[in-house]
Order: sequence, then structure tokens, then C-alpha cells
Amino acid sequence: SQTIHQWPATLVQPVGSPLSLECTVEGTSNPNLYWYRQAAGRGLQLLFYSVGIGQISSEVPQNLSASRPQDRQFILSSKKLLLSDSGFYLCAWSVRWGALRQTNARTSTDTQYFGPGTRLTVL
Amino acid sequence: AQKITQTQPGMFVQEKEAVTLDCTYDTSDQSYGLFWYKQPSSGEMIFLIYQGSYDEQNATEGRYSLNFQKARKSANLVISASQLGDSAMYFCAMREREQGAQKLVFGQGTRLTINP
Repeated sequence: SQTIHQWPATLVQPVGSPLSLECTVEGTSNPNLYWYRQAAGRGLQLLFYSVGIGQISSEVPQNLSASRPQDRQFILSSKKLLLSDSGFYLCAWSVRWGALRQTNARTSTDTQYFGPGTRLTVL
Repeated sequence: AQKITQTQPGMFVQEKEAVTLDCTYDTSDQSYGLFWYKQPSSGEMIFLIYQGSYDEQNATEGRYSLNFQKARKSANLVISASQLGDSAMYFCAMREREQGAQKLVFGQGTRLTINP
């Protein structure tokens, strides 16, 4: 079965410090990978997504960046954190569109499966 | 641009009662997918149920069912026989596909509280 890991689980960082959040997926190959941010009491905002190694698409211009150095590894980074970067960061994976499709009535190859998240507080 | 609207910021329900969480969507696409996720206080997003736009039958998954009304562009989640463990945030989402990636657009969520 597939599992997705994120670390660290919580992080407290001063303004202006760098950031590196890591996400890894096990049990699947060539997944699509996603980074979301959730502000307190709000919905999820898509930050970045990747359809392959080195392929990153950015949804929201900001001081964050993402990289995918390996097939099942997705990293969220910042050179200098802002107060507004505080939030809950979630990584997700899905089957790559166009891959072998095994759809059924209960799910879809479009379904995204989320990791446990990283709670970031910038002080 | 696609949009998801969840009009109920909070819901309070007695244990064992059924509850309906509302979700309306707006899209010009003919092919789309709708999802519901549960987010307990731990923060993890748990996939509950999926409905494809071409599916003729409403999706069901255990105590969860999706009341899909395509003409009204609504995809309400129904939880039967609610349990205390159902207390959580619930998010409706819609898939949009772009450049090989399946992007999800989320609503603002509904906080469901089950009272004993």
C-alpha cells in the first residue's frame, strides 16, 4: 500500500530564517505531487505541483519554492521566511494522469492522498 | 475558473442522527470530479468519497453518500447514523485537470460537531 510522509511535524522558525519541508511517498511510482497551505480555519490553497522529476508548477507567486530531486520526494523551501508564511503545510500525491487507470465507482485516479502535514509558526 | 461553495461554516448534530453537508460548484467543464475530505483535529486530510460528473448513480461509501444533483450543480455529503468520531472539518473539492496534473479546488469547509 502507498504511504506518504512529511517532516518535521511541527516547526517554529524566526522571521528571515530559511525553510525546508520534506515529503516522501512510498509504494507507488511516478506520482503527481502537490504542496498545499492551509491558514487557520480556512480551506486549502495549492502552492505547487509536480508531474515529474525537476518539473515544478507554481500556483501562487511568493517567497516559497519547491523542488523534486527524486521521483517520490518533494521539497518545499524558502530562503527567508515571512510572518505570513505561518500555516499548516500539506503534501499530497495522486496517480499520474495517463498512467494505467483502474477506476471504480468508489475512487478515481484523480484522488489526492494527503500526508500528516507540517505546522509552521513563524515568529 | 472553477469554484466551490460550502455555505455552512458550522453544524451541530445529535449522535445517531443523519446530517447533510452542502456543497455547490461552478464549472464550465463537461468532465469533472467531486470529492469530500474529512479533516479531524490532527490535521490530516482523509479522503471520503468521489463522484464523477458522468456517474449516473450517487456514490456511496459505508455511512457516507453523495447526493449529486448535476442540474443544480450540488454535491452534498450525507452521513448516516452520525458518531462522535465524525466531529471534524469537512471539505468539498473539485478536480480540474491541467498539464497532466489533477488540481483540486477546495471549499472553505464545514465544521461538524456531533453531540452525545
